[in-house]
Amino acid sequence: DPKIIQKPKYLVAVTGSEKILICEQYLGHNAMYWYRQSAKKPLEFMFSYSYQKLMDNQTASSRFQPQSSKKNHLDLQITALKPDDSATYFCASSQGNSGNTLYFGEGSRLIVV
Amino acid sequence: GQQVQQSPASLVLQEGENAELQCNFSSTATRLQWFYQHPGGRLVSLFYNPSGTKHTGRLTSTTVTNERRGSLHISSSQTTDSGTYFCAIDPYQGGRALIFGTGTTVSVSP
Repeated sequence: DPKIIQKPKYLVAVTGSEKILICEQYLGHNAMYWYRQSAKKPLEFMFSYSYQKLMDNQTASSRFQPQSSKKNHLDLQITALKPDDSATYFCASSQGNSGNTLYFGEGSRLIVV
Repeated sequence: GQQVQQSPASLVLQEGENAELQCNFSSTATRLQWFYQHPGGRLVSLFYNPSGTKHTGRLTSTTVTNERRGSLHISSSQTTDSGTYFCAIDPYQGGRALIFGTGTTVSVSP
């Protein structure tokens, strides 16, 4: 029974379009994150939020915008999609953001054509 | 920037064999963690091990922080151990931006 729910699991999008990846966690954690896994690259940190506030942003592009409407939600809006955005996007959460165990969702696989 | 190197890149085992996966990193402030990625993609935390040795079942994590290295030992491997193993460091000591290694893909055959 997954405690971190990501939607959709798979997504094909057209270049230039906009998509939102959904993440909800039911672990009672107050810190949430987005990571990206592209082919032949290590998992890359994108964003971290704590108590719905942005803590860290390692993403180069402003086309990626996290949105936190509730403490247990952290969605990722991606605008002006490019083929290079094709990747699996993982949402994660932890209790606090100080070196605690990270729990990952199952990922949203995005393909941009 | 911070770097995390894992070796070997891939490993093929016969069921029952042991294996040792290596992780080397460029920072002494690490809070090393190990993750397992199922062939289907799901990522699971195995160990949070800033230093010393920890055991869970057939897995042992050892971190030698001042030598900037860690290892994951799999004993008596099983086919269900197949997948990719990642180590990650937290150089900011805030758990915010883990830096992952490139992973070791393990394949265990019966």
